[in-house]
Amino acid sequence: RKEVEQDPGPFNVPEGATVAFNCTYSNSASQSFFWYRQDCRKEPKLLMSVYSSGNEDGRFTAQLNRASQYISLLIRDSKLSDSATYLCVVSRSASKIIFGSGTRLSIRP
Amino acid sequence: EAQVTQNPRYLITVTGKKLTVTCSQNMNHEYMSWYRQDPGLGLRQIYYSMNVEVTDKGDVPEGYKVSRKEKRNFPLILESPSPNQTSLYFCASSLGQGPVVPQYFGPGTRLTVT
Repeated sequence: RKEVEQDPGPFNVPEGATVAFNCTYSNSASQSFFWYRQDCRKEPKLLMSVYSSGNEDGRFTAQLNRASQYISLLIRDSKLSDSATYLCVVSRSASKIIFGSGTRLSIRP
Repeated sequence: EAQVTQNPRYLITVTGKKLTVTCSQNMNHEYMSWYRQDPGLGLRQIYYSMNVEVTDKGDVPEGYKVSRKEKRNFPLILESPSPNQTSLYFCASSLGQGPVVPQYFGPGTRLTVT
């Protein structure tokens, strides 16, 4: 079993819709959580950190559920430019940074 | 402009021929790391460095070497490349404060070993 698991998708949603996806992690010692986005054939870009209390950045909301060991990303009012692969990252230390394989999101006009 | 640069961007080589992929950042970041990305496996950390002359193994260090003689540079060395090292490689950096995760990635180096 992978330490960090994501539904690979693709999630195909119309522009303007709200979409959410989760990422589960297996190691309860995990301390820090992040979401990245990666466009096709490009480098990953840090999207946002995920805090215990939940946090929002514009149309994006990230949440952490330590009891059930998952993090989530919700995108409201989705734009065509949101089409990308979203990677969740779980960190225990500088040497233990685990990337999920990613969830592919496609926004259609 | 804040950036991480990698060279070369594309490389096709043969088994056993030593190669170096360079990585440089212009943000005075302390933390630098190397990842490889393979389909279905996600990004896996190869090596990381918390500062000059300080390097440590990540999850998949076998077959790779690194050095950190200057703060801005973190080259990845494959002494004797093998076909299973065919992959997409990313260098990354971050300030190194707080939770240490890659903040900026380079554009990637696509390596094919035949």
